[in-house]
Amino acid sequence: RKEVEQDPGPFNVPEGATVAFNCTYSNSASQSFFWYRQDCRKEPKLLMSVYSSGNEDGRFTAQLNRASQYISLLIRDSKLSDSATYLCVVNAGGTSYGKLTFGQGTILTVHP
Amino acid sequence: NAGVTQTPKFQVLKTGQSMTLQCAQDMNHEYMSWYRQDPGMGLRLIHYSVGAGITDQGEVPNGYNVSRSTTEDFPLRLLSAAPSQTSVYFCASSYSTQRGYNEQFFGPGTRLTVL
Repeated sequence: RKEVEQDPGPFNVPEGATVAFNCTYSNSASQSFFWYRQDCRKEPKLLMSVYSSGNEDGRFTAQLNRASQYISLLIRDSKLSDSATYLCVVNAGGTSYGKLTFGQGTILTVHP
Repeated sequence: NAGVTQTPKFQVLKTGQSMTLQCAQDMNHEYMSWYRQDPGMGLRLIHYSVGAGITDQGEVPNGYNVSRSTTEDFPLRLLSAAPSQTSVYFCASSYSTQRGYNEQFFGPGTRLTVL
């Protein structure tokens, strides 16, 4: 089993749609969780951290379920500019705080 | 601040050649790391460093060496290039807080092809 697994996608949605991505992780000691966004042929950039209580940033909502070892990202009112690859990222925890494990990514295409 | 810089942006090598990928950051981050990204594989950690003089192996360290003589620089050396090392290489830096290490800042990447 991969340490971090994401929906394979790709997701093709019209502008204005709501889309949700899911991610599961295998290491129950994981401490920190993130969603990164990566545009084509560019470096990943942090979209948002994921907190235990869930958090929202504009049209983006992230949820964490530690019991099920599950993370989600919800995008409301999709824009053309949301088209990108979304990476679920988990921190190994323990003494390996800096060792991030990346999911393979989910491709989102928003069309007019 | 320039953030994280990487050179070169593109490189073509022949099998057996060696080279060094450069990475530098000007944010005084103690943590730096190297990843490779292959289609369908996500980013995989090659080596990382938690401070000057300290390095450790990641998930896929074979065929690569690193050193960290200063806080700013973290070069990645390919000892004897192989076609399997054709990939996009990203360097990243981060800083620690009471909650652990936070956001990693990535460089623009080096696209390496080994013939």
